Amino acid sequence: QVQLQESGPGLVKPSETLSLTCTVSGDSISTYYWSWIRQTPGKGLDWIGYVYYSGTTNNIYNPSLKSRVTISIDTSKNQFSLKLSSVTAADTAVYYCARRLGTYSTFDIWGQGTMVAVSS
Amino acid sequence: QSVLTQPPSASGTPGQRVTISCSGSSSNIGSNTVNWYQQLPGTAPKLLIYSNNQRPSGVPDRFSASKSGTSASLAISGLKSEDEADYYCAAWDDSLNGHVVFGGGTKLTVL
Repeated sequence: QVQLQESGPGLVKPSETLSLTCTVSGDSISTYYWSWIRQTPGKGLDWIGYVYYSGTTNNIYNPSLKSRVTISIDTSKNQFSLKLSSVTAADTAVYYCARRLGTYSTFDIWGQGTMVAVSS
Repeated sequence: QSVLTQPPSASGTPGQRVTISCSGSSSNIGSNTVNWYQQLPGTAPKLLIYSNNQRPSGVPDRFSASKSGTSASLAISGLKSEDEADYYCAAWDDSLNGHVVFGGGTKLTVL
């Protein structure tokens, strides 16, 4: 079955760039939209953005994060990645990668999530 | 503060029927479909309901949902202890070139 696995540093310093990768197994990444979603400690879910397998032209980002976010895709590795620049403590969260299936807010498969703390 | 409004908590006893509401606006629920997610403690969210009222394979028919105007609701009948979790609604919002919005989540306690 399709599985998603996030990877990347668990600690990032303030003002630096957070970088995470999601590896897709069990299916080709070249079919769907792929997304990043985060969850701040004890709080709700916050959608970060989408990337499509054909490249970043059709990317859509959360307006509140758009100036700091880049999501890219590497079909040769079956991976997609998140970069979030100029991080602050407010970016401390569990970051999930997910597959979009069907409508814009339908995420049918999720990774297990990875905790990223922003601290000096 | 979340764009979609959910009650922070709900509760019920085993066997009861519980409903969770999700209130939005014309730019999100009013013009797009609603999805519901269940998040068990310490795990990733799981798609529970899609396209307003459709259950993915494997989701018990104890879970149902509906949408009317700018609001949606999730109903759980025959409540079980394993249903204790956080529940989130989600929809596409057409404003600001479009983006996904979530509710703040409802923590369901089975008493």
